[in-house]
Amino acid sequence: NAGVMQNPRHLVRRRGQEARLRCSPMKGHSHVYWYRQLPEEGLKFMVYLQKENIIDESGMPKERFSAEFPKEGPSILRIQQVVRGDSAAYFCASSATGTNEKLFFGSGTQLSVL
Amino acid sequence: AQKITQTQPGMFVQEKEAVTLDCTYDTSDPSYGLFWYKQPSSGEMIFLIYQGSYDQQNATEGRYSLNFQKARKSANLVISASQLGDSAMYFCAMRGVIQGAQKLVFGQGTRLTINP
Repeated sequence: NAGVMQNPRHLVRRRGQEARLRCSPMKGHSHVYWYRQLPEEGLKFMVYLQKENIIDESGMPKERFSAEFPKEGPSILRIQQVVRGDSAAYFCASSATGTNEKLFFGSGTQLSVL
Repeated sequence: AQKITQTQPGMFVQEKEAVTLDCTYDTSDPSYGLFWYKQPSSGEMIFLIYQGSYDQQNATEGRYSLNFQKARKSANLVISASQLGDSAMYFCAMRGVIQGAQKLVFGQGTRLTINP
């Protein structure tokens, strides 16, 4: 009974490159959430997706960031033309329903932009 | 808008003592949920405990209990008989059920250090 799986665990990119972060939700979960954590801060909501639909992207930066959760395969958070300020830990969480009490988090992807 | 405030950036406690981590919240939602997560140095977010705003009793999970005082808008985490492995960052979070129903709002966190 695997939990939320995120990969890679660590990702290093140079300024201007693209970063792709993957998240496989827990088995049976169709709701996925992405959060970002800057150093010494709490997590900040980015986007909420269900299969093939973006439900709430109010926390996503307007440019360079996009997310998808296709019918088959993991959810992808994509950051184009990364800048140093994108360096952070990116967490994915999943739930079985949109209002489940427990939100299960993955171990996160630490993105470092050189 | 919802807001979570954790006023203790760091706490130091002797092993085996009980510890209370403070959390206050602000929301206009009539129904909401409150969470505590633990983040050890390895970075993962570990769910500890959940309290619904209409739950009659304070939530408990093993050594963790949530001291929920609705009128004061506080949801403090109590850890009994602390252990060295409890050293970590602790985050309080809230989820609204009507507004921003799918989003958790997190506090800044409290770094707890358990001394032997």
